[in-house]
Amino acid sequence: NAGVMQNPRHLVRRRGQEARLRCSPMKGHSHVYWYRQLPEEGLKFMVYLQKENIIDESGMPKERFSAEFPKEGPSILRIQQVVRGDSAAYFCASSIRTSGFTDTQYFGPGTRLTVL
Amino acid sequence: RKEVEQDPGPFNVPEGATVAFNCTYSNSASQSFFWYRQDCRKEPKLLMSVYSSGNEDGRFTAQLNRASQYISLLIRDSKLSDSATYLCVVNRLVGSSNTGKLIFGQGTTLQVKP
Repeated sequence: NAGVMQNPRHLVRRRGQEARLRCSPMKGHSHVYWYRQLPEEGLKFMVYLQKENIIDESGMPKERFSAEFPKEGPSILRIQQVVRGDSAAYFCASSIRTSGFTDTQYFGPGTRLTVL
Repeated sequence: RKEVEQDPGPFNVPEGATVAFNCTYSNSASQSFFWYRQDCRKEPKLLMSVYSSGNEDGRFTAQLNRASQYISLLIRDSKLSDSATYLCVVNRLVGSSNTGKLIFGQGTTLQVKP
C-alpha cells in the first residue's frame, strides 16, 4: 500500500511564475490536508479538502493560492505569481476519517519550493 | 500567544538518558493530541497519540493533563536514532465539529550523543 505521494519533490520557480504542487492520498483515503513549513518554523495548516469540496481553507493566504481535489486525479495546490516568501516545504497529508474525531493523518514527503 | 507551545531546545543528552518534553495548548476544546517526529525537516511521522489515561509504547510514554492543558513525552534509554525534532500536535475544533485541522507546535529538538 503506497503512502501519500507528492510531486515534484523539489520545484524551483522565478518570481512571478506559477507553482503547481500535486498530492495523491493513500489508497482508500478521501480527505486531504495541505500544510506549509517555512524555514525555521513549524508546520501551519493551509487547507482541508474532500473529493470535489473544500472543507476548511482558513489557513490559505487570501490571494494567489488555491487548492482543489477533483473527483479523479490528485489534489493540486496552486500558487500564482510566486514571491520569495513562498519558498517553503509544502506537505500534504491524507486520512480516512471514519469517525467524528480526528483520525490519523499520514504525511507525504513534501515539495520543497524555492523561489529565485 | 501560540496555540501550541513547546520549548524548542535543543536538548543534548547522552545515550541511555531519560528525557522529557513538555507542551501546552491554549484551546480547551481541543479533543485529540499527538506527538509526531520530524527528521531533518522531512515529513512528520506519527509517534503516538496521547490519551488522558496516559499511554506507553516501548521506551516512549505520553501523558495528557486536560485541566492544565499540558502534554508530555518521556523517552527512556535514549538511542542515537532518537535524535530528531518532536512535534506536539493538537486538533482544532470549530463549534461542535471536528474539522481535522492539526495545529503543530514549533517542535523540540533532541540530540542524543554517544
